Amino acid sequence: EDQVTQSPEALRLQEGESSSLNCSYTVSGLRGLFWYRQDPGKGPEFLFTLYSAGEEKEKERLKATLTKKESFLHITAPKPEDSATYLCAVQDTGTASKLTFGTGTRLQVTL
Amino acid sequence: GAVVSQHPSWVICKSGTSVKIECRSLDFQATTMFWYRQFPKQSLMLMATSNEGSKATYEQGVEKDKFLINHASLTLSTLTVTSAHPEDSSFYICSARGSRTGSFNQPQHFGDGTRLSIL
Repeated sequence: EDQVTQSPEALRLQEGESSSLNCSYTVSGLRGLFWYRQDPGKGPEFLFTLYSAGEEKEKERLKATLTKKESFLHITAPKPEDSATYLCAVQDTGTASKLTFGTGTRLQVTL
Repeated sequence: GAVVSQHPSWVICKSGTSVKIECRSLDFQATTMFWYRQFPKQSLMLMATSNEGSKATYEQGVEKDKFLINHASLTLSTLTVTSAHPEDSSFYICSARGSRTGSFNQPQHFGDGTRLSIL
């Protein structure tokens, strides 16, 4: 059974204080690993897809990396508008379309 | 691009009522749509996967007669919660995936969810 564990559960940063969020996963075969951002009362917003170990993707202050067992979402010099819950999900080669989500990391960035 | 619209955004109704939720892909064709349920501070749990023109595939433990899914076109899927009870109260979110070649590992794009409260 696919498993996704995200840490920490919650993270509070001051504006400009860089950090990383972790997503550890177990799958029989990785088709893709996805990062989403979710604001309160909203649906998840797609950020990145990573397909193979060693791959990296960047978007503004966010950078996602992937190894064979985990993915990191690095946040550089965060701003208050980066406050949200960040969700990681995996798609297994054996389960077709299904995404298995972690419980997310709630990020709060203060002034 | 890749906009998914979900309606209504919230519903409050009496126990025993049936509630229909619509999910539309506005700027792309979605051969596959997904329905999730999310409890407070918990992850998204997949309820069912629907492919246009065929019956939905339900996850283990999800009652197909309770949660009716219709995917009649490439841009619209509906979820009907039949004879809803307070325990059905939750946040329901749909997602859609595009239909272009190699779409199997394309990202799912999500609607903004429907908050369902059954009194």
